[in-house]
Amino acid sequence: ETGVTQSPTHLIKTRGQQVTLRCSSQSGHNTVSWYQQALGQGPQFIFQYYREEENGRGNFPPRFSGLQFPNYSSELNVNALELDDSALYLCASSLGGRSSSYEQYFGPGTRLTVT
Amino acid sequence: TQLLEQSPQFLSIQEGENLTVYCNSSSVFSSLQWYRQEPGEGPVLLVTVVTGGEVKKLKRLTFQFGDARKDSSLHITAAQPGDTGLYLCAGAHWGTDKLIFGTGTRLQVFP
Repeated sequence: ETGVTQSPTHLIKTRGQQVTLRCSSQSGHNTVSWYQQALGQGPQFIFQYYREEENGRGNFPPRFSGLQFPNYSSELNVNALELDDSALYLCASSLGGRSSSYEQYFGPGTRLTVT
Repeated sequence: TQLLEQSPQFLSIQEGENLTVYCNSSSVFSSLQWYRQEPGEGPVLLVTVVTGGEVKKLKRLTFQFGDARKDSSLHITAAQPGDTGLYLCAGAHWGTDKLIFGTGTRLQVFP
């Protein structure tokens, strides 16, 4: 069984640029959630994808967008990067329908630094 | 808005000591999970509790979900240096699919 993987591991971008982060879900899982974790804080929910559709969104602006593919892998896109976007971006996969939100398994994260 | 407060924020203890971490909220959750996170890595799921009053044990770790489903605790017996890490609680509400994470408790166990 393959766990959740994320790429790249680290990324440095300049303010105003765009970035795409990738996540491969755990084998058998059909739901992917994305979280932002600022230094010293707990993760904050960005959004979730279930069977290629957005299934809930946190308090993040529209410049944060995502996709889920037929193989259930996912991308997180951030446009017009700001300094405050510097954080660890975590992807979590789970198996469930629209009312199932526990037993989420996290990837190692992508550390994004915006300068 | 942070709905889950954890205490203490930091804990530094000697090997062999016992400790308890608390996770409190004014909201009711359908389930609550505990994770441990090490630097540079993603959180690792330790346990999920779903029933009010539920107690789960995982070796030296004991997890409890409050009767009112608003709070939880994690008790570690005879802590070891390998227990060092950031402990996070996360709750889920009925009808939604996002986890709300607590502020985290950073534990350091010295040999």
